[in-house]
This record gives sequence, C-alpha cells and structure tokens, in this order.
Amino acid sequence: NAGVTQTPKFQVLKTGQSMTLQCAQDMNHNSMYWYRQDPGMGLRLIYYSASEGTTDKGEVPNGYNVSRLNKREFSLRLESAAPSQTSVYFCASSGLSGGAETQYFGPGTRLLVL
Amino acid sequence: QKEVEQNSGPLSVPEGAIASLNCTYSDRGSQSFFWYRQYSGKSPELIMSIYSNGDKEDGRFTAQLNKASQYVSLLIRDSQPSDSATYLCAVRGWGNTPLVFGKGTRLSVIA
Repeated sequence: NAGVTQTPKFQVLKTGQSMTLQCAQDMNHNSMYWYRQDPGMGLRLIYYSASEGTTDKGEVPNGYNVSRLNKREFSLRLESAAPSQTSVYFCASSGLSGGAETQYFGPGTRLLVL
Repeated sequence: QKEVEQNSGPLSVPEGAIASLNCTYSDRGSQSFFWYRQYSGKSPELIMSIYSNGDKEDGRFTAQLNKASQYVSLLIRDSQPSDSATYLCAVRGWGNTPLVFGKGTRLSVIA
C-alpha cells in the first residue's frame, strides 16, 4: 500500500499561471482533504470531500477549486496563482480504523509562486 | 469557531527525561483526539489516538484525555533526540467532521 500519494513534489509558478495538484489514496477511504501549511499558521483546511461526488469549503478556500474525480483521487486547482499561495500543500484521507475516523497525510507539495 | 490550543514551544528536555505536551480544545462535543508528529520538511504522521477519558499507552507514548476539563496530553517517556519534532494535537467532533488542528508544539530533546 502506497497510502496517500501527491504529485508534483515541488513546483515553481509565475503569478497568474494555473496548475493542478494531484492526490490519490489506495486505502479505500471515503473522505479526502486538502490543507496548506505556512510558518506560524499551522495546518489550514482548504477543501474537503466527505464522499465521492461531494466537496465542501474549509477555512481558506478562496483562490482554489477541487475535483473529487473518483473515490481514489482528489485534485486541487489554482486557476491564477498568487504569491500568497506559496505554501506547502498536504492532501489527506480518512477512514474507519478501530471504530473511529482516522486520517493519514500524503508527503506534500512545495509550491513557490513568483 | 472550534479551536485547539497548544503551547508553541520550543519545549526542551534532556535525553531520557519525560516530555509532556499539552492541548486544550473549545468544542465540548468533541469525540476523538489525535496526536501527530511532524519532522521538519515532512508530513504529519499519526502517533496516537484516544477516544475516552483516561490514559492510553503505546510503547514510550501515553495519551491522556480529560473531557470535563477539555484537555488532552501526550507524554513521551525516555525521550530520545529522534523525538525532536513538532507535535500536532487534532480534535474531531461528531461523525465525519474535519479534524481541527492546533498549531503544534516544537519539542527539542537535548543529548
């Protein structure tokens, strides 16, 4: 089991460019999440998907869109990147383990917007 | 606004000592509680979960939960330099609501 995988690992964009961050999980989890992590700000939830076909906004959704392509895959799109979106992006998935919903993270994507 | 509070640290402990990390949460209806460890430049890694009041032990780690005081802690016995990391407390409410994370406590174990 690979767990949660993310591509790319690193990306440099110019302001105004677009890109899609890819995430996949092989744990048959229903729920998937996108977070960003900035120094001193902790993990902030951007969007999540409680099940295939549904998505909901998190704490900081502005400037992002998501697609739950199927049960395995959840992508995050930046339509017009801004320097404020420079961050480390983590995808996560969660499923029942020991009777409770347990969450696991991918390795992260480091994004620099110039 | 549901909040999870942690002391940012750094918490410095000598090798072999017990490290005590604390977390408080605002939502009295919270049901499940997690501790994640995050090494610099890496993703968070789940190390402990706890769902009922009391202590839960796993190797050198003990999680403690007190729902009446809205307080959860993590004890690391026989601390090692390899335990130096940021520890994130996370709390979930009823059902499948998203986790709420604290900002983390940075632990430094001095050899």
